[in-house]
Amino acid sequence: DADVTQTPRNRITKTGKRIMLECSQTKGHDRMYWYRQDPGLGLRLIYYSFDVKDINKGEISDGYSVSRQAQAKFSLSLESAIPNQTALYFCATSDSLVETQYFGPGTRLLVL
Amino acid sequence: TQLLEQSPQFLSIQEGENLTVYCNSSSVFSSLQWYRQEPGEGPVLLVTVVTGGEVKKLKRLTFQFGDARKDSSLHITAAQPGDTGLYLCAGTSGAGSYQLTFGKGTKLSVIP
Repeated sequence: DADVTQTPRNRITKTGKRIMLECSQTKGHDRMYWYRQDPGLGLRLIYYSFDVKDINKGEISDGYSVSRQAQAKFSLSLESAIPNQTALYFCATSDSLVETQYFGPGTRLLVL
Repeated sequence: TQLLEQSPQFLSIQEGENLTVYCNSSSVFSSLQWYRQEPGEGPVLLVTVVTGGEVKKLKRLTFQFGDARKDSSLHITAAQPGDTGLYLCAGTSGAGSYQLTFGKGTKLSVIP
């Protein structure tokens, strides 16, 4: 079984809709991250969390919110989706002692 | 804001050829990581370099961290179709932040 899972893998939604992307990990890591990937722009950090009570904004947090429900779960919400949020979204985890990040398989989101 | 510039952006070569991709910055990084991403999947860590001048080898892949810790290179010897993918470099500024700054990637295609 995969250590970092994301649901859904693909999602099509309409402008103005609220959607939630979920991430679960079985690696026992305390740190979790949400990134978006766009062609030609690379991976950009949206939010990150170093433990359940710690939430931090990343480079591009506007229009997004997150919830760290448990050590193993970190969800990303788009309160009112807009077309320029169409992208590939990745969740990642890391251990507090090691810098390596482990990525999930990604969620492909299309906002019409 | 720390930036990582990767070059070339795209590279298409014949099987058996050698290649080098570069990752450059004007900033100093405490460590630098190289990831490979295949279509439909998240990035997977290849190597981490932490010491200026460090060279690491992973089978046919050779990674080097610049003496000043501002740049890195990835050299592939005798490329194979299985090397096809997006190669990303990512740096950490240290100080316990463990936030990664990603380059935009080099998309490599190895033609049989």
